[in-house]
Amino acid sequence: DAGVTQSPTHLIKTRGQQVTLRCSPKSGHDTVSWYQQALGQGPQFIFQYYEEEERQRGNFPDRFSGHQFPNYSSELNVNALLLGDSALYLCASRTRDRYGYTFGSGTRLTVV
Amino acid sequence: GENVEQHPSTLSVQEGDSAVIKCTYSDSASNYFPWYKQELGKRPQLIIDIRSNVGEKKDQRIAVTLNKTAKHFSLHITETQPEDSAVYFCAAPYSSASKIIFGSGTRLSIRP
Repeated sequence: DAGVTQSPTHLIKTRGQQVTLRCSPKSGHDTVSWYQQALGQGPQFIFQYYEEEERQRGNFPDRFSGHQFPNYSSELNVNALLLGDSALYLCASRTRDRYGYTFGSGTRLTVV
Repeated sequence: GENVEQHPSTLSVQEGDSAVIKCTYSDSASNYFPWYKQELGKRPQLIIDIRSNVGEKKDQRIAVTLNKTAKHFSLHITETQPEDSAVYFCAAPYSSASKIIFGSGTRLSIRP
């Protein structure tokens, strides 16, 4: 049973570029949340998707957007990249009626 | 606001001794409190969680206690071992559990 899978594992982008990160939730999970984890800090909530809609959003600018597909997989898009966007981006999934999240291994984004 | 305060930020204990990490949350409606362990370069992994209808939960050397009145919950690790060295995060749900907000983390080091 595959857990949460994320791609790519590492990515280097230039300031001003756009990036798309991908996540496939654990089998049986229908809710996906995205987190940004800067070095030495706790994961910061970006947004949550359920039934292909954004249900909750953290304190992140509109440059951060997402999507959930009918198969529950999800994408995180970041436009106009800034140096400060460099971080580990974690995808976490769960079933709607459970609280416990399973995390993916993350995508390490470096903006230069 | 939506925050979870976690203390201490770093903790060093002698192998075999106990470690305690404390967290405080602000939303009185929060009813689920997970703890995650994150080893260097790896994903956060759920190690134990507790629901608000109980005051304590144990799983071998790990226990979590909850004081809903004071909005405090704590992680207790007994008989610490070298493999317990990691960063530990507490978390609590906000906005009807649509957001899981993480604490800033505690770096636990076990001295041989």
